[in-house]
Amino acid sequence: DAGVIQSPRHEVTEMGQEVTLRCKPISGHNSLFWYRQTMMRGLELLIYFNNNVPIDDSGMPEDRFSAKMPNASFSTLKIQPSEPRDSAVYFCASSSGLAGKYNEQFFGPGTRLTVL
Amino acid sequence: SQQGEEDPQALSIQEGENATMNCSYKTSINNLQWYRQNSGRGLVHLILIRSNEREKHSGRLRVTLDTSKKSSSLLITASRAADTASYFCATDYGNNRLAFGKGNQVVVIP
Repeated sequence: DAGVIQSPRHEVTEMGQEVTLRCKPISGHNSLFWYRQTMMRGLELLIYFNNNVPIDDSGMPEDRFSAKMPNASFSTLKIQPSEPRDSAVYFCASSSGLAGKYNEQFFGPGTRLTVL
Repeated sequence: SQQGEEDPQALSIQEGENATMNCSYKTSINNLQWYRQNSGRGLVHLILIRSNEREKHSGRLRVTLDTSKKSSSLLITASRAADTASYFCATDYGNNRLAFGKGNQVVVIP
């Protein structure tokens, strides 16, 4: 398996523009997580899906952020409009999500977002 | 916050020495996991210890868990330059989500 795939790897955009980050989880994994990592705040969980359904989006910072998972093999995180303070590395991770199991998470390489 | 917190946050050692880092957490956990992050990369799972386990080994890694003190330690023996990375503890409270600490930067000097 290729692991968790994220695109793009780097994104530079101007304030006010829409940004869409993409993630393909590991085949067969039922849970998908979006994280944001910054020096100041560390690794923050933004939203978590199980079987394509959003379970907890309490970490999504504002209404400017939205995430979807239309099927088991694809998820997007959208920021509209983007602001300079959104600059960070965004990670997608997946796990088997099996009930009663100890689930390690597999991380993608991340998308480094810079908003000018 | 229920996140794990690592200590020390930065560690610099010579190649061949052992590196020890600690993690504390606040409430009961299902399991605790350690991850490594190389610069510019995603996190990689290293080892998981269940709440009913006290010690676990994997290669040069040794993890301990003390649930009475709500703490864990990660020991890397005979460190190598390739072990230079950030190390994160993550606590699983049984809801399929992990709460990550802020990370522990380890530099191994050749």
